[in-house]
Amino acid sequence: AQTVTQSQPEMSVQEAETVTLSCTYDTSENNYYLFWYKQPPSRQMILVIRQEAYKQQNATENRFSVNFQKAAKSFSLKISDSQLGDTAMYFCAFMKVLRGATNKLIFGTGTLLAVQP
Amino acid sequence: DGGITQSPKYLFRKEGQNVTLSCEQNLNHDAMYWYRQDPGQGLRLIYYSQIVNDFQKGDIAEGYSVSREKKESFPLTVTSAQKNPTAFYLCASRTGGKTNYGYTFGSGTRLTVV
Repeated sequence: AQTVTQSQPEMSVQEAETVTLSCTYDTSENNYYLFWYKQPPSRQMILVIRQEAYKQQNATENRFSVNFQKAAKSFSLKISDSQLGDTAMYFCAFMKVLRGATNKLIFGTGTLLAVQP
Repeated sequence: DGGITQSPKYLFRKEGQNVTLSCEQNLNHDAMYWYRQDPGQGLRLIYYSQIVNDFQKGDIAEGYSVSREKKESFPLTVTSAQKNPTAFYLCASRTGGKTNYGYTFGSGTRLTVV
């Protein structure tokens, strides 16, 4: 069974600084996707970034980028130029990709990020 | 605009009562999912459905039931057999296409046992 581990329950960063959130996962699969979701106080789940396992290039979305280390099964999220609106719970998630599979998301326990003014 | 609507936003249940959480989507998505969120435990899968009239148990299905009579709707019933139902419930949907693995989430229902 796949598992996702986020070892940082809470983190804090100053506005405009850079912060990195950690995520490790365990799987024997070779074809999968990894995601970072943001859940602000409104509790709406928002997709931040997505990484396909077969791609060696790390995904980037504006101020958000990932460091995907497939051999180490590590998938960290870097937020540059942190903004107050980045304050949220961040979830790392795994999805196995197989024909006919459920494509269900497996989530980590989350990291609560507070951006300080 | 297309999206997922969950209702109600807040729900209170008395001990021994069954309650039903609504989830409706107008995205024409094939697959729909119910997740439960508890503090410190992330999101855990309750039930999922890939097509109409078919659904499967997730990791924590005990005490819950679902139906999928229409593509747009996937209601979740929390039965009296669920011993600790107080939680935040999220519904999600996903297109069945092979190239799109993105989920769309609803805004959630907060269920409290009183």
